[in-house]
Amino acid sequence: DAGVTQSPTHLIKTRGQQVTLRCSPKSGHDTVSWYQQALGQGPQFIFQYYEEEERQRGNFPDRFSGHQFPNYSSELNVNALLLGDSALYLCASSETGAREQFFGPGTRLTVL
Amino acid sequence: GDSVTQMEGPVTLSEEAFLTINCTYTATGYPSLFWYVQYPGEGLQLLLKATKADDKGSNKGFEATYRKETTSFHLEKGSVQVSDSAVYFCALGGSAGGTSYGKLTFGQGTILTVHP
Repeated sequence: DAGVTQSPTHLIKTRGQQVTLRCSPKSGHDTVSWYQQALGQGPQFIFQYYEEEERQRGNFPDRFSGHQFPNYSSELNVNALLLGDSALYLCASSETGAREQFFGPGTRLTVL
Repeated sequence: GDSVTQMEGPVTLSEEAFLTINCTYTATGYPSLFWYVQYPGEGLQLLLKATKADDKGSNKGFEATYRKETTSFHLEKGSVQVSDSAVYFCALGGSAGGTSYGKLTFGQGTILTVHP
């Protein structure tokens, strides 16, 4: 049973560019959440998708947007990249109504 | 809003020593509590959980008890191993119907290093 998968593993971009990160949830899970983890910090919640809609959003600017597809996979898009967007981006999935979330290995984004 | 505070680290122990990592929280309603572990270069793995007051979560020798009266969820292990070296995160899942439902709020993490 495959767990949560994310791609790519690493990404290097320059300021002002746009980036798309991808996530496939654990089998049987229909809810996907995204988190940003800066170096040496705990993950910060970006948003959560369920039934292809954004259900909950953290304190992140509109430059951060997402999408969920009918197969429950998800994308995170970040526009107009800033140096401060450099972080590990974690995707987590869960079953409907469940509070525990299962995390993928993350995508390391470096903005130069 | 919801918040989680973990004891400041890093924590350095010798193998077979007793481990305690303190975690306290602030939340409305009846949150769920979790401990996640992150090994170098990896994502987060769920270590244990508790969904209501006085529940004890346990896994791989680690334990934590949900104490509503002290708003705490301290992580303990009786005898640590070198392989336990990692970063440990305490997390809170918001109550159903609350504004934080559906998201996890994390503490800042505690780095644990275990020496042979």
